Amino acid sequence: GNSVTQMEGPVTLSEEAFLTINCTYTATGYPSLFWYVQYPGEGLQLLLKATKADDKGSNKGFEATYRKETTSFHLEKGSVQVSDSAVYFCALIAVGTPGFQKLVFGTGTRLLVSP
Amino acid sequence: TAGITQAPTSQILAAGRSMTLRCTQDMRHNAMYWYRQDLGLGLRLIHYSNTAGTTGKGEVPDGYSVSRANTDDFPLTLASAVPSQTSVYFCASSDRPGNYGYTFGSGTRLTVV
Repeated sequence: GNSVTQMEGPVTLSEEAFLTINCTYTATGYPSLFWYVQYPGEGLQLLLKATKADDKGSNKGFEATYRKETTSFHLEKGSVQVSDSAVYFCALIAVGTPGFQKLVFGTGTRLLVSP
Repeated sequence: TAGITQAPTSQILAAGRSMTLRCTQDMRHNAMYWYRQDLGLGLRLIHYSNTAGTTGKGEVPDGYSVSRANTDDFPLTLASAVPSQTSVYFCASSDRPGNYGYTFGSGTRLTVV
């Protein structure tokens, strides 16, 4: 079946530090990959996406590259800010296989950035 | 602003009582979903609907029911609430999810006592 594995948190960083949140996946078909962000007290917002191998998604200084050879979609940011403190979810949807395809989420990684 | 509206924002409910969580979208998306979010468990799918008039069960459907009478509305009903249904509930919708993912509402925090 389809699944997503994320590194457990919390990840605690100082402002301006480099961020990596690991995500690996298992999927049948041709998955599209997503990162969602959930700020405190809010719903999930789409942060970035990649729909085929070697694509790089980017938004708000965050990047993730779809690596088919390592089945990974790690989230990175060069310099985090306090305002980036949130929970980050990696997710996939396996396009092109029979049946109704649903977004499959990882368990989320909490990021805490201190001044 | 286009999107998903959920109501109520929060609710305290006595065990054994029924309740309907409301969800409305104005994007004309075909598919809609209900998730619950619990600490350490991430998001788990309760029910979904491919299109108006059809519904399906997700990972954790027991104790919940849904209906999809039209494109815009996808209410979630708890017939007889139990404390284990204390959670944050999110409604979502999608159109071409392989390309665009899902759009989420801001959630309903439900406490069953």
